[in-house]
Amino acid sequence: DADVTQTPRNRITKTGKRIMLECSQTKGHDRMYWYRQDPGLGLRLIYYSFDVKDINKGEISDGYSVSRQAQAKFSLSLESAIPNQTALYFCATSDRFPTGGTYNEQFFGPGTRLTVL
Amino acid sequence: DAKTTQPPSMDCAEGRAANLPCNHSTISGNEYVYWYRQIHSQGPQYIIHGLKNNETNEMASLIITEDRKSSTLILPHATLRDTAVYYCIVAGGNQFYFGTGTSLTVIP
Repeated sequence: DADVTQTPRNRITKTGKRIMLECSQTKGHDRMYWYRQDPGLGLRLIYYSFDVKDINKGEISDGYSVSRQAQAKFSLSLESAIPNQTALYFCATSDRFPTGGTYNEQFFGPGTRLTVL
Repeated sequence: DAKTTQPPSMDCAEGRAANLPCNHSTISGNEYVYWYRQIHSQGPQYIIHGLKNNETNEMASLIITEDRKSSTLILPHATLRDTAVYYCIVAGGNQFYFGTGTSLTVIP
């Protein structure tokens, strides 16, 4: 079984709809992240959480919100989806105590392809 | 401003070494250089990271210049499965900045 899972894997929705993307991990990691990727571009950080009570905005948080329901679960919500939020969304996790550097290795989920019509 | 600069694309013959450059001229003293790769639209995969010393693991080698303003990822014997987008990341503060990466194509 995959260590980092994302649901749904694909979603088509309409402008103005509320949508939630979910991420679960079995790695026992404290840190979790949400990224989006637009075609031909790299990943951009939306939100990150270093533990259940710690939520931080990333590079592009406008239009998004998150919930860290438990150590293993981190959800991303689009309160009112718009077409320019069409993208590939990735969840990632990393361990709490870096063995070298600011970050430990991040483990990524398979991604959720979201289309907003 | 971008924290890293990479060539958009490169080709490499199968079996040869692939050398992927990265410029990070504004890197600060406590920032590390990380490399990830992304195959098709899968989640990125960690390759290696370093601060100032050269590093090697089972996947690749990382060469960082003495002034730390640039680095090179070396895949010693590229295979077709190494075809991917390679991201050079300088980790600053609490965030990773992926940039647009280098699309490496390994040619048979």
